[in-house]
Amino acid sequence: NAGVTQTPKFRVLKTGQSMTLLCAQDMNHEYMYWYRQDPGMGLRLIHYSVGEGTTAKGEVPDGYNVSRLKKQNFLLGLESAAPSQTSVYFCASTTLSSGTLYNEQFFGPGTRLTVL
Amino acid sequence: AQRVTQPEKLLSVFKGAPVELKCNYSYSGSPELFWYVQYSRQRLQLLLRHISRESIKGFTADLNKGETSFHLKKPFAQEEDSAMYYCALSATGTGNQFYFGTGTSLTVIP
Repeated sequence: NAGVTQTPKFRVLKTGQSMTLLCAQDMNHEYMYWYRQDPGMGLRLIHYSVGEGTTAKGEVPDGYNVSRLKKQNFLLGLESAAPSQTSVYFCASTTLSSGTLYNEQFFGPGTRLTVL
Repeated sequence: AQRVTQPEKLLSVFKGAPVELKCNYSYSGSPELFWYVQYSRQRLQLLLRHISRESIKGFTADLNKGETSFHLKKPFAQEEDSAMYYCALSATGTGNQFYFGTGTSLTVIP
């Protein structure tokens, strides 16, 4: 049981390049999230998904797109990278268990992205 | 609007001293509150949640609805407690969204 995995672990991009970050979870969780972590800013939600085929905007969605074609995968895309998108990106997933509305979020190891 | 405030970015205490990491929240409904911890070079992991009323690694946190606070406490800090701590609030409604504070970096001095 790998939990939540993210690929790649590190990436350096030039301004204007595009890339996709992959998040995968093997816990059959309905909900998946993408955050960015910046010094002094904490974790900020970029986009999230409540189920296969559905996505929604979080706090800082501009410049990012997402897709959830399969329940276990949540992709984060940068169409035209900018230096302001230099950050550490975390994926997380959670589920609604019986009797409890709120649950623990399980996090991936993070992807460190640098945009030059 | 939901908001989580952690007023201290950095906190240093000596080993064996008590530690308190502050967290205040603003939320119009009934909140679910959590503390997450991130040790050096590791992923974020749940430390404790208020609904469980648990003590993990000697840490406790009490939800004070009157003061809208969820401070994290430990009576005797250990070196292995050095980490980044995030307070988080889970909101009702769509998406089961979590709102994180800006984090407090705790350093326990030997």
